[in-house]
Amino acid sequence: SQQGEEDPQALSIQEGENATMNCSYKTSINNLQWYRQNSGRGLVHLILIRSNEREKHSGRLRVTLDTSKKSSSLLITASRAADTASYFCATGAAGNKLTFGGGTRVLVKP
Amino acid sequence: SAVISQKPSRDICQRGTSLTIQCQVDSQVTMMFWYRQQPGQSLTLIATANQGSEATYESGFVIDKFPISRPNLTFSTLTVSNMSPEDSSIYLCSAGDRGNTGELFFGEGSRLTVL
Repeated sequence: SQQGEEDPQALSIQEGENATMNCSYKTSINNLQWYRQNSGRGLVHLILIRSNEREKHSGRLRVTLDTSKKSSSLLITASRAADTASYFCATGAAGNKLTFGGGTRVLVKP
Repeated sequence: SAVISQKPSRDICQRGTSLTIQCQVDSQVTMMFWYRQQPGQSLTLIATANQGSEATYESGFVIDKFPISRPNLTFSTLTVSNMSPEDSSIYLCSAGDRGNTGELFFGEGSRLTVL
């Protein structure tokens, strides 16, 4: 079963704009991760934030985690056409097992 | 990091037949998992592939339908048995190391269409 719910389900923006997507989850976690999936491809790991962290940056990515609200957000700044993809949050528990959210489909228009 | 190769990358299968998907990792990893991604949907964990022992299945998935092997630390197979059109999905192999960051690496997936 899916642990996380993401919103929006789809997002369309212009190149250069920022894209923000949110993830909510239900149970306690060790970490929360974000992955990208280009159409017809496998998933690529973007960033991991541990349960004792509140914010993390990686290049144009910024992730926040609020464990009291059981929610996380992913911000992509200065988006590019190549950022067009589906983005999934995944919550990690014991044993490296990940449970994925529903995903957000992002379209960046040139 | 780990590079994961899956084959076949895609196949069209007839109802009632079975297909085995192979997953090869380029380095020894502790954990291997099989996920299913139905069209336009998220990923659902099928099972954890355990080296040298029976796989651990998630609720809703059973060994008779999805037998899994893992003879060593770098290789696993997933068989989709007695297929029906509802089994049309992308099947993804993933791998990671216990005690590491928790990051998983994914293969490109095997897209199965059952007619």
